[in-house]
Amino acid sequence: NAGVTQTPKFRVLKTGQSMTLLCAQDMNHEYMYWYRQDPGMGLRLIHYSVGEGTTAKGEVPDGYNVSRLKKQNFLLGLESAAPSQTSVYFCASSWTSGRANTGELFFGEGSRLTVL
Amino acid sequence: AQSVTQLGSHVSVSEGALVLLRCNYSSSVPPYLFWYVQYPNQGLQLLLKYTTGATLVKGINGFEAEFKKSETSFHLTKPSAHMSDAAEYFCAVSGPFQGAQKLVFGQGTRLTINP
Repeated sequence: NAGVTQTPKFRVLKTGQSMTLLCAQDMNHEYMYWYRQDPGMGLRLIHYSVGEGTTAKGEVPDGYNVSRLKKQNFLLGLESAAPSQTSVYFCASSWTSGRANTGELFFGEGSRLTVL
Repeated sequence: AQSVTQLGSHVSVSEGALVLLRCNYSSSVPPYLFWYVQYPNQGLQLLLKYTTGATLVKGINGFEAEFKKSETSFHLTKPSAHMSDAAEYFCAVSGPFQGAQKLVFGQGTRLTINP
């Protein structure tokens, strides 16, 4: 059982370059999320999706775009990378929320991005 | 609005000693509280959670936490530290009928275990 898989795991970009991070989950979860993790700042939500074809902004959405064309995949794009986007990016997924909210997120292993 | 403060970005204990990681929260709605653990080069995984009911909750690997409403705290403890407990720990808060996307994480506490 793969759970949540992120690709690539490491990437180095130059300022201004673009790239896409791919997240795939095999648990049939409705909700998917992209977080960034920076030292001393915990995890901050970038964008999330409550189902196929839907996306919404999180706490720090600027400079990122996302798409959820298939239920199992959630893509995070950087159109013009900046050094401030150097971070570790985590994808997560969960069951439907609201009354069923258990707060349990299932995380991928992370993608370390460096922008020079 | 909700927020989480973890007291101490680094905690170091000896193997076999008590582990205490502190978490205080702020919430305008009844809180749902969580502790997540992140082992080196891995994603986060749920350690334990409080939603409603018993205020002392037990999690995996011998950890437990107590919800104290009067102190707005949800501190994580383990009676006897093991070398395998070395990791980063995150406290998080959300509320009932809020989606998991409303989870607010603390800044994390790195736990080091000394032999």
